[in-house]
Amino acid sequence: SQQGEEDPQALSIQEGENATMNCSYKTSINNLQWYRQNSGRGLVHLILIRSNEREKHSGRLRVTLDTSKKSSSLLITASRAADTASYFCATDAPYGNNRLAFGKGNQVVVIP
Amino acid sequence: EAQVTQNPRYLITVTGKKLTVTCSQNMNHEYMSWYRQDPGLGLRQIYYSMNVEVTDKGDVPEGYKVSRKEKRNFPLILESPSPNQTSLYFCASSALTAKSYTFGSGTRLTVV
Repeated sequence: SQQGEEDPQALSIQEGENATMNCSYKTSINNLQWYRQNSGRGLVHLILIRSNEREKHSGRLRVTLDTSKKSSSLLITASRAADTASYFCATDAPYGNNRLAFGKGNQVVVIP
Repeated sequence: EAQVTQNPRYLITVTGKKLTVTCSQNMNHEYMSWYRQDPGLGLRQIYYSMNVEVTDKGDVPEGYKVSRKEKRNFPLILESPSPNQTSLYFCASSALTAKSYTFGSGTRLTVV
């Protein structure tokens, strides 16, 4: 079953603006990951944040994690047309081991 | 280049005709997994494997088989495909210690 749920489901922004998307989950996790998928292609890992971390940066990406609210956010700063993609969060709960539960994804369209 | 290779990229077949989708990784990853992606349903796990000769069902295993005879290969077998198996399929792998997945480029299967 899917645990991660992204919100909003679809986002359309102008190039140069920031894009923020959220993910909520139901059970305690060890880590949460974000992936990007360009249309019909394989998912690409962006960033992993552990349950004892509150914020993590990677280039123009900023991820926050609030374990008390069971939620995470992904911020893409100064968006580019190439950022147009679907973004998925994934958690290691409720399965454990290496299994991941993926959310349904956020469609982001960056207008040049 | 480290990668997960799936073949074929596109496949159209008829109901009941057995088919195999191959997946191979060159990263010596222990963990491999198959997902299907359908509109509105996100990614759902079909089968996964923690290592050679160790496979287990995911969330939607009905109608599928897998095998893991070698560490690098994890084929997905549809013994008698049906139209409800029309979907976009992804193979993914990870090292047991790494937690993040590397995805293949996907196989778009149409069963008529």
